[in-house]
Amino acid sequence: GAVVSQHPSRVICKSGTSVKIECRSLDFQATTMFWYRQFPKQSLMLMATSNEGSKATYEQGVEKDKFLINHASLTLSTLTVTSAHPEDSSFYICSAISSYTDTQYFGPGTRLTVL
Amino acid sequence: AQTVTQSQPEMSVQEAETVTLSCTYDTSESNYYLFWYKQPPSRQMILVIRQEAYKQQNATENRFSVNFQKAAKSFSLKISDSQLGDTAMYFCAFSFGNEKLTFGTGTRLTIIP
Repeated sequence: GAVVSQHPSRVICKSGTSVKIECRSLDFQATTMFWYRQFPKQSLMLMATSNEGSKATYEQGVEKDKFLINHASLTLSTLTVTSAHPEDSSFYICSAISSYTDTQYFGPGTRLTVL
Repeated sequence: AQTVTQSQPEMSVQEAETVTLSCTYDTSESNYYLFWYKQPPSRQMILVIRQEAYKQQNATENRFSVNFQKAAKSFSLKISDSQLGDTAMYFCAFSFGNEKLTFGTGTRLTIIP
């Protein structure tokens, strides 16, 4: 149980285009999901908290207009990187909280490369 | 604000030996959760063990156990009979339950054959 999927696992795009990443909780409902960014050999950096049916809460320094988050259902949250630039290249990870255990379960991550 | 400190950037141990990873945290609250997550080379974050602060008994999951010292704000992870598959980054993390995690900087553990 407590499986979180993320799609796509890898994406390469041209500078200026937008990329959407999906995060799904497969066997539990998640009113709260999180989006992280991880640079090589570093810890996870929280970007935003995604709440079902309401606006996401962004961490300080994260551009909300660049990283659009939508949490339209109890099992799906999406992160759209708009007008991507090479500096947005990174590893993006989502997680979802199981209300049964108050524990975050993580997706496998998405490697974004912007050319 | 809560902080989590992992003072061992890297560790290595021979296969089948026991290793302990250190973690300290700081909070003024009394009810919270502590976690150890493992991130192998695949980069998938995997929950290793969780501890509820109100429980005095240390959590155990097969070869993994913790030493939770609430007064000292210490939460170390012990891996017994270490296996090659235990090679990974290990992150200690803190949360208030249905809220965001605060991570430590991680410890890179290498199991030597």
